[in-house]
Amino acid sequence: DVKVTQSSRYLVKRTGEKVFLECVQDMDHENMFWYRQDPGLGLRLIYFSYDVKMKEKGDIPEGYSVSREKKERFSLILESASTNQTSMYLCASSLEVTGLGSPLHFGNGTRLTVT
Amino acid sequence: SQQGEEDPQALSIQEGENATMNCSYKTSINNLQWYRQNSGRGLVHLILIRSNEREKHSGRLRVTLDTSKKSSSLLITASRAADTASYFCATGSGAGSYQLTFGKGTKLSVIP
Repeated sequence: DVKVTQSSRYLVKRTGEKVFLECVQDMDHENMFWYRQDPGLGLRLIYFSYDVKMKEKGDIPEGYSVSREKKERFSLILESASTNQTSMYLCASSLEVTGLGSPLHFGNGTRLTVT
Repeated sequence: SQQGEEDPQALSIQEGENATMNCSYKTSINNLQWYRQNSGRGLVHLILIRSNEREKHSGRLRVTLDTSKKSSSLLITASRAADTASYFCATGSGAGSYQLTFGKGTKLSVIP
């Protein structure tokens, strides 16, 4: 069974802090994703990566960056946290291209509060 | 960009009843997937249907796809309290697309 592990379930940070959200998957998946989920807005893709050291912007990349130095690990970075980045962050991985039908495997999420 | 739109936004039924949720989308797709999310948790993949399929079953789940109407439905038969969750459809547009586009979800409450 695929396991996607996010390092923190809850995180509270102050405005202006640099924040790292870590995600690790154990199934040798090529593709990894970061989403944020907000009430009334659903899931929105921030960034994804289809290979080590490769990254692509999703729908809402502003204010975020990512790092993928190893295949199993995908980090989301908030360079200078702001209150409008308070949200649930979900990491996911997939074996193949999701557009062709490969399902996503999600972690349990990190609920980030920026005060 | 949001493509799938679920309907209704919320649904409350008694245990043992069937629950039907609908998903509409705007552009052509290669596949459509349904996910479940229990409160405060990540999403779990339920079932996938490809654009050349009309119906699929998995246990108590039945999914239909009508590409002419750009719509899909998820039926959960003989619902249980444990089915209480939010359900999302997600569409994939084909080769070269790494993105699934999610709807906003239907919140299902099954009352014991």
